[in-house]
Amino acid sequence: KAGVTQTPRYLIKTRGQQVTLSCSPISGHRSVSWYQQTPGQGLQFLFEYFSETQRNKGNFPGRFSGRQFSNSRSEMNVSTLELGDSALYLCASSFRPGGTYNEQFFGPGTRLTVL
Amino acid sequence: QKEVEQNSGPLSVPEGAIASLNCTYSDRGSQSFFWYRQYSGKSPELIMSIYSNGDKEDGRFTAQLNKASQYVSLLIRDSQPSDSATYLCAVNKAGNNRKLIWGLGTSLAVNP
Repeated sequence: KAGVTQTPRYLIKTRGQQVTLSCSPISGHRSVSWYQQTPGQGLQFLFEYFSETQRNKGNFPGRFSGRQFSNSRSEMNVSTLELGDSALYLCASSFRPGGTYNEQFFGPGTRLTVL
Repeated sequence: QKEVEQNSGPLSVPEGAIASLNCTYSDRGSQSFFWYRQYSGKSPELIMSIYSNGDKEDGRFTAQLNKASQYVSLLIRDSQPSDSATYLCAVNKAGNNRKLIWGLGTSLAVNP
């Protein structure tokens, strides 16, 4: 079956702009988690959605937001972009939330560059 | 103390050798443990999941879990240059706020 898809794959924005990233999970998976990955910082958890509800949230400012639709597709939005937001944004799909006995599968990521 | 710790490496092994990657975690209530491989510029790929104490084998990979000592390891037998990557350990956080906690990864280089 098809894997996790993310669009767009690459983005270049300037400071102050906003951006929306999209993620379509594996068919049948209802949980979507978002991560930010930068060199030296590893995978930083942004938030997790399950059945259109945010189940968990990481320690990111309110400029980072997300949502999930009834078909389990998810979007994340970053407003008022800063240079430090340049990163690889990864979406992970799983059948259930929370990580217990529950494998996450990653999409290819969106590489965001903020100039 | 970090919640999930891994040696950053690089760990360098010759082709054909056994590579041993270790991960320690702080939450005693953790129940699920995962190893991911990430090639440079790519997204993480799940290699192994383990939930019970002991060993779990899948091809050239063996995951070992010791909950009493709070560590999980990954052994790669007959290492190949194509195994050169960063290996990420992930552990689920117990309790109501369950989520995966990630180590920073160990860089592995397999030399021909």
